[in-house]
Amino acid sequence: QVQLVQSGAEVKKPGSSVKVSCTASGGSFTSYAFSWVRQAPGQGLEWMGGIIPIFGTTTYAEKFQGRVTITADRSTSTAYMELSSLRSEDTAVYYCARSPGSSLRVIDYWGQGTLVTASS
Amino acid sequence: EIVMTQSPATLSVSPGERATLSCRASQSVSSNLAWYQQSPGQAPRLLIHGASTRATGIPARFSGSGSGTEFTLTISSLQSEDFVVYYCQQYNNWPTFGQGTKVEI
Repeated sequence: QVQLVQSGAEVKKPGSSVKVSCTASGGSFTSYAFSWVRQAPGQGLEWMGGIIPIFGTTTYAEKFQGRVTITADRSTSTAYMELSSLRSEDTAVYYCARSPGSSLRVIDYWGQGTLVTASS
Repeated sequence: EIVMTQSPATLSVSPGERATLSCRASQSVSSNLAWYQQSPGQAPRLLIHGASTRATGIPARFSGSGSGTEFTLTISSLQSEDFVVYYCQQYNNWPTFGQGTKVEI
């Protein structure tokens, strides 16, 4: 069955960077697009950006341009999200999410989420 | 950026009743609209895509309608497990989510 398994919780200092991984199974990695969506405590969902592995193309939300980098390793079916210059407001659960087809559209599967805490 | 606005923020209903949730887009998104359900501590789950197509395994009591800028999610007869949070998402452009509607007893 389809699984998106994310790396574990992280605690980081403000100003540092965090890199979260998402390993996909249960389908052909290059048949899908992958997004990263975050959710601050008690808040709603916020799309950060995504990647289409078969093309290697990325799209980022304006809010995160210049601070987020999304990559994919086709050999290990793993997508990565790196967020730099962390601030306390970046404390959130970060979800990896899969879209069918080669476009960032409807999300049919989600990872379990990774809690990132930015605190001194 | 296409802004999605959901209403109401909180909807109070009783089990067995019908719930109607609204979602408005700041510009037309055609039928490129999805609805997700999120239970506490869980990842969201896809309910509806293409504005009105139920995802695999979703009960028939969930239905979606609308196109352009106005969309509705209807839950025909609320079950106990339906009292959670619902989000709409447009994917006509790069994806954006509404702020959510909490359905409570």
